[in-house]
Amino acid sequence: DGGITQSPKYLFRKEGQNVTLSCEQNLNHDAMYWYRQDPGQGLRLIYYSQIVNDFQKGDIAEGYSVSREKKESFPLTVTSAQKNPTAFYLCASSGVLNQPQHFGDGTRLSIL
Amino acid sequence: GQQLNQSPQSMFIQEGEDVSMNCTSSSIFNTWLWYKQDPGEGPVLLIALYKAGELTSNGRLTAQFGITRKDSFLNISASIPSDVGIYFCAGRGANDYKLSFGAGTTVTVRA
Repeated sequence: DGGITQSPKYLFRKEGQNVTLSCEQNLNHDAMYWYRQDPGQGLRLIYYSQIVNDFQKGDIAEGYSVSREKKESFPLTVTSAQKNPTAFYLCASSGVLNQPQHFGDGTRLSIL
Repeated sequence: GQQLNQSPQSMFIQEGEDVSMNCTSSSIFNTWLWYKQDPGEGPVLLIALYKAGELTSNGRLTAQFGITRKDSFLNISASIPSDVGIYFCAGRGANDYKLSFGAGTTVTVRA
């Protein structure tokens, strides 16, 4: 089935540690996105990518990094510089930037 | 992106009731989207709207793109228990690639 796969479902980070969240899509979409969701708030854009080997900062990029080496993959690294990383992270994709976005099932990141 | 004003924040509804929620923006949008999120899962696209005044249905769901282009409405008719979840609106301006999201409306159905 076509879709967006995020892994792992749950992730724990120790102080000073970088962790990487995986996002893979088989929808042949050009654009991919990472959002952060906190309780009672709307989704906030971390990074987005229009095409392979290109990505742009969103509204809350500090403490995060991404890569886009393959069309189907857009991993997000939460670095030790992100002081409040506990959140639900959602990956999305769309055919091109202005088409509706479709979401994966998320990764919940917590601090040990 | 800006934060959209979505209301109500939460609602308890009786099974079989019709309910409405809405979203407003401080700027003009040319796309409105409505998503539903179940606990522990990602949002699922329900309805997409692209033109002012547009009224679109998806089963028991109906959404409208406001005439002012600054608001949108979602109606659920004849609520059932599986309607439980968080409903999000999202919008995009004409020359904007980013989606702005509302904070969500949490729907709980009393059986």
